[in-house]
Amino acid sequence: AQKITQTQPGMFVQEKEAVTLDCTYDTSDQSYGLFWYKQPSSGEMIFLIYQGSYDEQNATEGRYSLNFQKARKSANLVISASQLGDSAMYFCAMREPSIEYQGGKLIFGQGTELSVKP
Amino acid sequence: NAGVTQTPKFQVLKTGQSMTLQCAQDMNHNSMYWYRQDPGMGLRLIYYSASEGTTDKGEVPNGYNVSRLNKREFSLRLESAAPSQTSVYFCASSDAGGHADTQYFGPGTRLTVL
Repeated sequence: AQKITQTQPGMFVQEKEAVTLDCTYDTSDQSYGLFWYKQPSSGEMIFLIYQGSYDEQNATEGRYSLNFQKARKSANLVISASQLGDSAMYFCAMREPSIEYQGGKLIFGQGTELSVKP
Repeated sequence: NAGVTQTPKFQVLKTGQSMTLQCAQDMNHNSMYWYRQDPGMGLRLIYYSASEGTTDKGEVPNGYNVSRLNKREFSLRLESAAPSQTSVYFCASSDAGGHADTQYFGPGTRLTVL
């Protein structure tokens, strides 16, 4: 069965420094998608970045990049130049491949709470 | 564009009461989803609708029913609420069900069952 593991319940980072949030996944499928979402204290889920299993290059979106190591089944999120507004819960998720491309479901990890210190 | 909207934002129920959570999206997406988020457990899928006219069970469907009213709207019904259903409920939508399709989430409904 597909599974996502985030082993860091909480992390601290100094403002303007880079931070890496860990995510490992388990799947026997060859085709899958990996996502990161941010959940600030206000509660909404904000999409950050996507990586496809066949993408050869690591995904980047502004200050966010995804360090994808397929052989190790890891998809770590790197946030460069941390800002106070980055303090939030971060979730790694995998899109389960769906039969006939119908209703691909997201499987979530338990999240990592990031605190950015001034 | 409002994206995904959910009503209500907050709700308190007594055990045994029923209620319907409403969700609507204006992105012309085909697929819609209901998740629940419990403390320390990430999000778990309750039900989903791959396209208008279809619904399927997710990981934790017991105690819930859904209706895909049209392409825009997907509702979640609790027929007889239980304290174990105290949670934050998120609705999401995506263009299709492929592994590359990003799901976009509504703001959530915080439900307390006493």
